[in-house]
Amino acid sequence: EDQVTQSPEALRLQEGESSSLNCSYTVSGLRGLFWYRQDPGKGPEFLFTLYSAGEEKEKERLKATLTKKESFLHITAPKPEDSATYLCAVRGIHLQGAQKLVFGQGTRLTINP
Amino acid sequence: SQTIHQWPATLVQPVGSPLSLECTVEGTSNPNLYWYRQAAGRGLQLLFYSVGIGQISSEVPQNLSASRPQDRQFILSSKKLLLSDSGFYLCAWSVGNQPQHFGDGTRLSIL
Repeated sequence: EDQVTQSPEALRLQEGESSSLNCSYTVSGLRGLFWYRQDPGKGPEFLFTLYSAGEEKEKERLKATLTKKESFLHITAPKPEDSATYLCAVRGIHLQGAQKLVFGQGTRLTINP
Repeated sequence: SQTIHQWPATLVQPVGSPLSLECTVEGTSNPNLYWYRQAAGRGLQLLFYSVGIGQISSEVPQNLSASRPQDRQFILSSKKLLLSDSGFYLCAWSVGNQPQHFGDGTRLSIL
């Protein structure tokens, strides 16, 4: 069974203090690892897709990396507006043409000014 | 560009009452559609998915059902709500291998 575990559950940083969020996964045949950002009371917003070990993607202060067992979301010099819950998901088998995403429980990130 | 709409944004219902949540997608054709539930502090759990009109697959046995009467319309229903049906319900769409994109959800509280 595909599984995703994110750590830490919650993280508080000062503005400008860089850190990393972890996503460990087990999946039968990875067909993509996804990072989403979710603000309170809103739906998840897509950030990145990674497909193979060694791949990296960047967007503003965020960089996602992938190994065969885990992914990291690096946050460099964060600002208060980066505060959100960050969700990781893996896509394994296809469901008759649809996508089966298995999500982790998320990391709640708070950036203090 | 593609957009997804969910309504209502919040809903308070008594135990035993029926439920109907609606999701519509604009700007794309023949999308795959998904219903998820998110419990507080938990990840998203896939409830139903659909690859076409009238085609519904269930991932988790439960008190809910889904229907897709039109290409870009997805409906989540229940005949009698349980306390355990409370949660944040999210609709999503995807096309091909592109990422899933989510609506802003419905917060459902059962009293």
